[in-house]
Formats: sequence, C-alpha cells, structure tokens
Amino acid sequence: AQSVTQLGSHVSVSEGALVLLRCNYSSSVPPYLFWYVQYPNQGLQLLLKYTSAATLVKGINDFEAEFKKSETSFHLTKPSAHMSDAAEYFCAVSLSGGSYIPTFGRGTSLIVHP
Amino acid sequence: NAGVTQTPKFQVLKTGQSMTLQCAQDMNHNSMYWYRQDPGMGLRLIYYSASEGTTDKGEVPNGYNVSRLNKREFSLRLESAAPSQTSVYFCASLSTGPGEQYFGPGTRLTVT
Repeated sequence: AQSVTQLGSHVSVSEGALVLLRCNYSSSVPPYLFWYVQYPNQGLQLLLKYTSAATLVKGINDFEAEFKKSETSFHLTKPSAHMSDAAEYFCAVSLSGGSYIPTFGRGTSLIVHP
Repeated sequence: NAGVTQTPKFQVLKTGQSMTLQCAQDMNHNSMYWYRQDPGMGLRLIYYSASEGTTDKGEVPNGYNVSRLNKREFSLRLESAAPSQTSVYFCASLSTGPGEQYFGPGTRLTVT
C-alpha cells in the first residue's frame, strides 16, 4: 500500500523568497516519487521525479527535491519564487516492481505575492 | 506529437443524461488512466488500463464505464449522469517502468 500527505493546502510566499512544499509518503517497498505542477485550467505536467538514483533531484524552472528515506519525505524547494510559479503542486508516489498506479496527494496551492 | 488529447473540453449535462469522454495519445504508451479532480481532493483514479485489452477499477469507479478501444484510445462513459459527477476529468498515459504520466488538458463537466 502507498499513500502521500502534502502538508498545507495553501502556501503563500513573497516573490524572491524560498519556496518549500512538503510531501511525506508511506510505502512498503522502495518508492518512485514525483512532483507535478498544474497551472490554471491546464493538465498536470512533470516537475521532477525520483527513481532510486541520486537522492537530490533537480527539475525544471530551478525546482529541486530531496529524497530522505529516514524521514519518508520528498519536499520540493526553489530558492527564489517567481510570480509565474503560482500554481497547484501535486506530489505522487508509485511502487517499484508492480503496475504503476500512482497515488497523488491532495495538492498544495502556491500563492506568490509581489 | 499532440501528446494526450481529450474531447470535449467543456460539457453540461442534465441529470440522467449519458455521455462519453474521449481520450487519445500518440506516444505509443501502454498504460492509460482516467482521473477526476475535485477541490481539496487531489486526483482520484476512476479506471485504468495497463495495456490494450485490459481495464481495471480505480478508487472511484461507481457510475462510470471505460473502453480501451485500441492502444491509442481510452474512453470514459457516464451512463446516467448525477450532480455528484460534476468535476474536471483528466486522462493520462504512461509508457513503461517508473516513468512519469502525461496528462491531457481535461474535460470540465457540469451535471445539473
């Protein structure tokens, strides 16, 4: 079984500030982990993914996430927020060795203030 | 490549009406999925198809049926629409292994 918890349904930051979106997962086997972004009225698109290679994963638009097995976390960060980063962010987990049925978190809405 | 396409983009139905949401992908992916997205609920899996010729229920299959017409196309049917099915519906596809899913632009459905 697998599950994902995203802490905070809304996160508000100022432009130029650090972005931190939290994701904790539960998995009985080594997981694959993903962050997706959804801009208004669009589908989801991949930001980055962890598939058991390097624990620090870099994605598009200067986002990165670190897989921490001891903390069962995969938090998403960006050093400096931009107005265009305002969107909904989803963390997802799927299990290795089985059919790839990802489980999604409930999403975190990132609000960026000028 | 168009990626994943969905039709229609918007639809309004009356309670009890039926309709089919269409999804097609041109990436030669094996697996296809249907999700619904509701505020505060994230994405919930309705049905998926791991390969051509197979379909399986997801988390919220009641009131829906699917058809994997061929490798490219995966349709979702509402036989008798209910207001609880008002939602945004997304189709997605995935190649093999631990890859990412590719999502369509969504269908915004309102049932009155």
